[in-house]
Amino acid sequence: EDQVTQSPEALRLQEGESSSLNCSYTVSGLRGLFWYRQDPGKGPEFLFTLYSAGEEKEKERLKATLTKKESFLHITAPKPEDSATYLCAVQAPDTGNQFYFGTGTSLTVIP
Amino acid sequence: GAGVSQSPRYKVTKRGQDVALRCDPISGHVSLYWYRQALGQGPEFLTYFNYEAQQDKSGLPNDRFSAERPEGSISTLTIQRTEQRDSAMYRCASSLDGSGNTIYFGEGSWLTVV
Repeated sequence: EDQVTQSPEALRLQEGESSSLNCSYTVSGLRGLFWYRQDPGKGPEFLFTLYSAGEEKEKERLKATLTKKESFLHITAPKPEDSATYLCAVQAPDTGNQFYFGTGTSLTVIP
Repeated sequence: GAGVSQSPRYKVTKRGQDVALRCDPISGHVSLYWYRQALGQGPEFLTYFNYEAQQDKSGLPNDRFSAERPEGSISTLTIQRTEQRDSAMYRCASSLDGSGNTIYFGEGSWLTVV
């Protein structure tokens, strides 16, 4: 069973059309849930870390939230420059304290 | 250094040759991770170190793959007798320590085995 599942695999939005990306996880004893942005040919770029259910973090048009089983990355009024692949990762004793990544959501924002 | 530095950025090697990929983590970072990333996929864990000690190597695909970090700073991932299926992006990341701290990635080393 996958420990981290991201959905949707791909998302196309019109500029200004808000939406959410989902990251669900099955690990126990979560130490941290991490969101990254990855542009083509580049390494993942850190966005947020969430540690406990109910926690929220915001940065510009992005807001990340966490529950006991999933995290959402909300994108408000996206712009074309928000187009990228968004990855989430979890770290927990279940994962041997590794960072276990999902397969990502590829976001395209159309002008 | 300011960020995680990897070299070479691109490596083309013939099947059967050995390759060594180098990672220089962020200064002061205790933990260092190696990942492999296929196109359209998330990074796949290979191994990680705290200081010079290899904590987990469960992700290394087979015994042709090895990694070391002898002085607790720079790390080398070595692939012996390379095969075409080893072609991938190899990414290094580091964190302050392994306890839920964020990991920061380098730009990666793209390996092509011909």
